[in-house]
Amino acid sequence: DAGVIQSPRHEVTEMGQEVTLRCKPISGHDYLFWYRQTMMRGLELLIYFNNNVPIDDSGMPEDRFSAKMPNASFSTLKIQPSEPRDSAVYFCASSPSIAGNTEAFFGQGTRLTVV
Amino acid sequence: QQQVKQSPQSLIVQKGGISIINCAYENTAFDYFPWYQQFPGKGPALLIAIRPDVSEKKEGRFTISFNKSAKQFSLHIMDSQPGDSATYFCAASLLNRDDKIIFGKGTRLHILP
Repeated sequence: DAGVIQSPRHEVTEMGQEVTLRCKPISGHDYLFWYRQTMMRGLELLIYFNNNVPIDDSGMPEDRFSAKMPNASFSTLKIQPSEPRDSAVYFCASSPSIAGNTEAFFGQGTRLTVV
Repeated sequence: QQQVKQSPQSLIVQKGGISIINCAYENTAFDYFPWYQQFPGKGPALLIAIRPDVSEKKEGRFTISFNKSAKQFSLHIMDSQPGDSATYFCAASLLNRDDKIIFGKGTRLHILP
């Protein structure tokens, strides 16, 4: 398996534009996580899915953020409208389980810059 | 509420020295403590993990020390090498319950050549 695949790797957009980040989890993994990484706040969990169903979206910062998982092999994180403070690296991760000793496998991230 | 506090935020160590990163947790129910390593431009990856029934776990140059009574654990990197330069995240989770893993904010480690 190629691992968790995210696209694009880099995204530069203007304030107010819609941004869509994409993720393909590892086949067979039932859990998918979206994280945001910034210098100030570290690694924040935004939302996670189990079998394509959103389980916990308490980390989603505001209504401008939305995430979907239409099938087991694809998820999107959308920001509309984007703002400069959304600039960060966004990671998608997947795991076969959420039990404590299960490793989370991360993608390489999408570096988002909103100007 | 930050449940896992990590320090320092950044660390510079000479080649061959010992790098030490500390973490403290609040929830006494946590029973699994992994460390993730992240190289520039990459996502975090599991490095080493410990359960609270042991006080220390060693894998090569990497050692986790665990103090259950103090609710603290630390990562020691012996004979630090420039290739160890990365961001390190401590984390905590529940072994037998389906719940999300809680990460610390990360430590940026730089090993001077």
